[in-house]
Amino acid sequence: DTGVSQDPRHKITKRGQNVTFRCDPISEHNRLYWYRQTLGQGPEFLTYFQNEAQLEKSRLLSDRFSAERPKGSFSTLEIQRTEQGDSAMYLCASSLVRSEAFFGQGTRLTVV
Amino acid sequence: AQKVTQAQTEISVVEKEDVTLDCVYETRDTTYYLFWYKQPPSGELVFLIRRNSFDEQNEISGRYSWNFQKSTSSFNFTITASQVVDSAVYFCALSDLLKNAGNMLTFGGGTRLMVKP
Repeated sequence: DTGVSQDPRHKITKRGQNVTFRCDPISEHNRLYWYRQTLGQGPEFLTYFQNEAQLEKSRLLSDRFSAERPKGSFSTLEIQRTEQGDSAMYLCASSLVRSEAFFGQGTRLTVV
Repeated sequence: AQKVTQAQTEISVVEKEDVTLDCVYETRDTTYYLFWYKQPPSGELVFLIRRNSFDEQNEISGRYSWNFQKSTSSFNFTITASQVVDSAVYFCALSDLLKNAGNMLTFGGGTRLMVKP
């Protein structure tokens, strides 16, 4: 399978815990994006990388959120001190420069 | 600021009917991309089409067709002879063509299409 891969697919955590999600993009894609989708809504942009550089961050990305793409390949998104409002689907996408983005199946986070 | 409105939250049709999903957008950018994505129950967003603001030609791909009208800021999507497998949530999205090569997307709220046998 050469698509965008996300792990885990589902995560249940207690409020206040830290969680980390991983995204493996399509191998030749140099751009990687994170989006968040709450139930019944469209995805909202969080941040994006070109290679290992984080070039844009949305105001939605509070100080509790951090994303990395250390070697320009896979990326991680960490949420510290999770809150119930963080419950959502976290979607990763990748693309070449100037081509459309391809999305993974997402990580569904439930904070209890 | 950019905004995408999909006024139809849910549509139900019977198989073989034609169905049109509406999308209206707002942007101050003069150059932009418009997209449609499909989200089946598995959750993955499946890319359907990308059009740039310079190209107002309608496009047809099999049973799918798209009507882009700059004058009304609309980018509507029609499925001809719908099938049960078309059941999904469909999202229209918009991005600035120049900024970051156009993949920071602003999505609409989606339209859930249910095709009944």
